Amino acid sequence: NAGVMQNPRHLVRRRGQEARLRCSPMKGHSHVYWYRQLPEEGLKFMVYLQKENIIDESGMPKERFSAEFPKEGPSILRIQQVVRGDSAAYFCASSPGGGAFSGAFFGQGTRLTVV
Amino acid sequence: AQTVTQSQPEMSVQEAETVTLSCTYDTSESDYYLFWYKQPPSRQMILVIRQEAYKQQNATENRFSVNFQKAAKSFSLKISDSQLGDAAMYFCAHYHATGTASKLTFGTGTRLQVTL
Repeated sequence: NAGVMQNPRHLVRRRGQEARLRCSPMKGHSHVYWYRQLPEEGLKFMVYLQKENIIDESGMPKERFSAEFPKEGPSILRIQQVVRGDSAAYFCASSPGGGAFSGAFFGQGTRLTVV
Repeated sequence: AQTVTQSQPEMSVQEAETVTLSCTYDTSESDYYLFWYKQPPSRQMILVIRQEAYKQQNATENRFSVNFQKAAKSFSLKISDSQLGDAAMYFCAHYHATGTASKLTFGTGTRLQVTL
């Protein structure tokens, strides 16, 4: 019973390149959340998706950032034209949805470094 | 909007002793969930304990228990018989769902050191 899988674990990009972060939720989970964590800070909500739908993107920067959760395949967080300030750990979490909320289960994160 | 406040950036406890981490939150909702997550140096976020707001009984998971004061909007975590492996960042989180929308909001964390 695999947990939430994120890849890559580490990603290095030069300024101006694109970063693609992948998240496969736990089996049976249809809700995905993305969070960003800067060094020595807490997790900041970015976006909440269900299959093929963006439900809440209130934490997403207006430009360069996008997310999707297609019917088949992992959820993708895409950052275009990365800048140094995008360097952070990006965490994905999933939950089953429906009924009582048992908690979101997190992946190990992707550490993005922009050089 | 929900906010979660952890006023203790760092705490220290001796092995085998008890420590309490504080958390307060602000919400206008009556139905919500509260969580404590642990983030060790590996950075993996681990769910420690969960509390449903409509339940008056405080949640307990082995050495971890909470003191949930709904009127005061307070949700502290007590760790008994502290172990070296408890050293980590601890995050308090609030969850609320409205229709199809939901959000898990985190506090800024408390770094717990466990000393011999």
